[in-house]
Amino acid sequence: AQRVTQPEKLLSVFKGAPVELKCNYSYSGSPELFWYVQYSRQRLQLLLRHISRESIKGFTADLNKGETSFHLKKPFAQEEDSAMYYCALRSFNQAGTALIFGKGTTLSVSS
Amino acid sequence: NAGVTQTPKFQVLKTGQSMTLQCAQDMNHNSMYWYRQDPGMGLRLIYYSASEGTTDKGEVPNGYNVSRLNKREFSLRLESAAPSQTSVYFCASKSPGLAGNTGELFFGEGSRLTVL
Repeated sequence: AQRVTQPEKLLSVFKGAPVELKCNYSYSGSPELFWYVQYSRQRLQLLLRHISRESIKGFTADLNKGETSFHLKKPFAQEEDSAMYYCALRSFNQAGTALIFGKGTTLSVSS
Repeated sequence: NAGVTQTPKFQVLKTGQSMTLQCAQDMNHNSMYWYRQDPGMGLRLIYYSASEGTTDKGEVPNGYNVSRLNKREFSLRLESAAPSQTSVYFCASKSPGLAGNTGELFFGEGSRLTVL
């Protein structure tokens, strides 16, 4: 079964502390994974994808196929990082492509 | 470009009433999606449409119907609303991927539906 698990509903950190948002997936085949973010009063938007291997707003995420994980990391959290973060997995079937999302983790960064 | 536009933004229904959520995108995307967002449940896929004229069920399709009216528009209909359908509904469209990769989802602002 295709599944995305985000074990933490809420992660609270202080400004300047490291952040790691956990994501584990279940997928047979070659996975394609994403992080989407929803800031307060803004639309849900793409943060990064594993294929790009890029750093966006200081965030990185590495696909670990052995551990079936795609954790999102940032060395020094900022208050503007406070948001809801969703990990997503590409799902293929004969009808087309869709994204399966995890339950989301709310990141709260306080000063 | 407006991107993805959803209407209405808010709606209150009584149990058993019907309504249609409208979604339109102006990015010429083939694929469109309807998700619902519930506290503690994240985003769950209701229906999607890979291209004009095709639709398929997602994870939670029961109680819903969809219509892909044309390339721009993808509507979600609740024929007989139930309190369990109280949620925030998001429409999204997907850009084409590059080099075989999956494109990016662009979301609407959401429609908050309350069923009493």
